[in-house]
Amino acid sequence: NAGVTQTPKFQVLKTGQSMTLQCAQDMNHEYMSWYRQDPGMGLRLIHYSVGAGITDQGEVPNGYNVSRSTTEDFPLRLLSAAPSQTSVYFCASSYTRTRFFNYEQFFGPGTRLTVL
Amino acid sequence: SQQGEEDPQALSIQEGENATMNCSYKTSINNLQWYRQNSGRGLVHLILIRSNEREKHSGRLRVTLDTSKKSSSLLITASRAADTASYFCATDEGNNAGNMLTFGGGTRLMVKP
Repeated sequence: NAGVTQTPKFQVLKTGQSMTLQCAQDMNHEYMSWYRQDPGMGLRLIHYSVGAGITDQGEVPNGYNVSRSTTEDFPLRLLSAAPSQTSVYFCASSYTRTRFFNYEQFFGPGTRLTVL
Repeated sequence: SQQGEEDPQALSIQEGENATMNCSYKTSINNLQWYRQNSGRGLVHLILIRSNEREKHSGRLRVTLDTSKKSSSLLITASRAADTASYFCATDEGNNAGNMLTFGGGTRLMVKP
C-alpha cells in the first residue's frame, strides 16, 4: 500500500491564483481530512469527510473548498490564494470516526505552499 | 483554538536519558493521541489512550492520562538520537459532534548523541 499520497510537494502561487492540492489513499478509509500547519500553531483542521459524498467544515475552512466523489480521493481547492494561506498542508485518513470511537490517523507527507 | 497544549515547547537531552512531555486540554475527551513528526515529514501515530484508561505502554513509550486534571504525559525511556522530532498530542472532544481531532502546538525534542 502507498498509504496517503499528496501532490505536489511544493507549490508557489501568486495572490489571487487558484489551485488544487491532491490527496489520495489506498487503504479504503472512510474518514479523510485536511490540516494546515503553521509555525508554533500545531495542526488546524480545514475540512473533513466521513465518507464519499459527505464533507464538513473544520476549524479554519474559509478560502478552501473540498469534495469527496470517491472513497480514495479528497482534493483541497484554494479559490483565490492569499499570503495568509502560506503554510504546510497535510492530508490524513483513518478507518472511520464516530463520536465515541475512532482510530489512528495516517498522514501524507505534506504540501509546502507559498503564496506571494 | 487549540485544545491541547504541550509542555515544554522544547526539550534537549542526552542519548540514554528519559524524556517527558506533558499535554493539557480544556474540555472532556473521548480519547487522546500522541503523534511524532520528523522534520519535513508528516505525522506518525504513536499511541492512543481512551478516557477510561489511565496508563498505556508501547515499547519505550509510556502514556498516562489524568482526566481529573485534564492532562496527559508521554515518557520516552532510554532515548536515542533517532527520537529527535516534534511530538504532538491530539484530543477528540467528548461533546464534539463534528468528528474533529484537535492538535496542540507540539514539543520539539532534541536527543544529543
